[in-house]
Amino acid sequence: DVKVTQSSRYLVKRTGEKVFLECVQDMDHENMFWYRQDPGLGLRLIYFSYDVKMKEKGDIPEGYSVSREKKERFSLILESASTNQTSMYLCASSHSGGLGNTIYFGEGSWLTVV
Amino acid sequence: GQQLNQSPQSMFIQEGEDVSMNCTSSSIFNTWLWYKQDPGEGPVLLIALYKAGELTSNGRLTAQFGITRKDSFLNISASIPSDVGIYFCAGQLRGSSNTGKLIFGQGTTLQVKP
Repeated sequence: DVKVTQSSRYLVKRTGEKVFLECVQDMDHENMFWYRQDPGLGLRLIYFSYDVKMKEKGDIPEGYSVSREKKERFSLILESASTNQTSMYLCASSHSGGLGNTIYFGEGSWLTVV
Repeated sequence: GQQLNQSPQSMFIQEGEDVSMNCTSSSIFNTWLWYKQDPGEGPVLLIALYKAGELTSNGRLTAQFGITRKDSFLNISASIPSDVGIYFCAGQLRGSSNTGKLIFGQGTTLQVKP
């Protein structure tokens, strides 16, 4: 079975804190993604990575950075958390190349910034 | 960022009714995917479509890849209470297969009255 694991389901952080959200996949996928989901706005892509140490900005990268040191792990970093970053964060992964790159999601991480 | 136009935004139906939702875009896609998200969980893949005109079923669910490659629909027959959730369409733009990047619709929230 396909497995994308997000390390924390629920976090509460203070404004200004540095926050790390970790994601691991066990399918040897080349591509990994971080989305945030907010009511009425659907899924918005923050960053994605198509190879180790490679990263590209998505639609809303401001206030975030990412790290991909190993193929199976993709970390999302909030350098200085702010209240407008309170949201549900979804990690996902997929194979590269060809047609039909089905994306598989983790269970999500609920972040509250107070 | 680009998004698909998904409709309706929400539906409140009686158990046993059929449901239909669709996604449209001005762009051409080479893959369409339909996901369901249960409350508090990550999206789970329901159906994947890879060819224009393709009609695929998964139990009570049926989805089609539009002939123009710019749209797709999902039907649910004889709805039951566990069909409750948010349904997302997602498409892969022609030429983006290497990164696996998907464009998501804003979701259709389905509620089923027993």
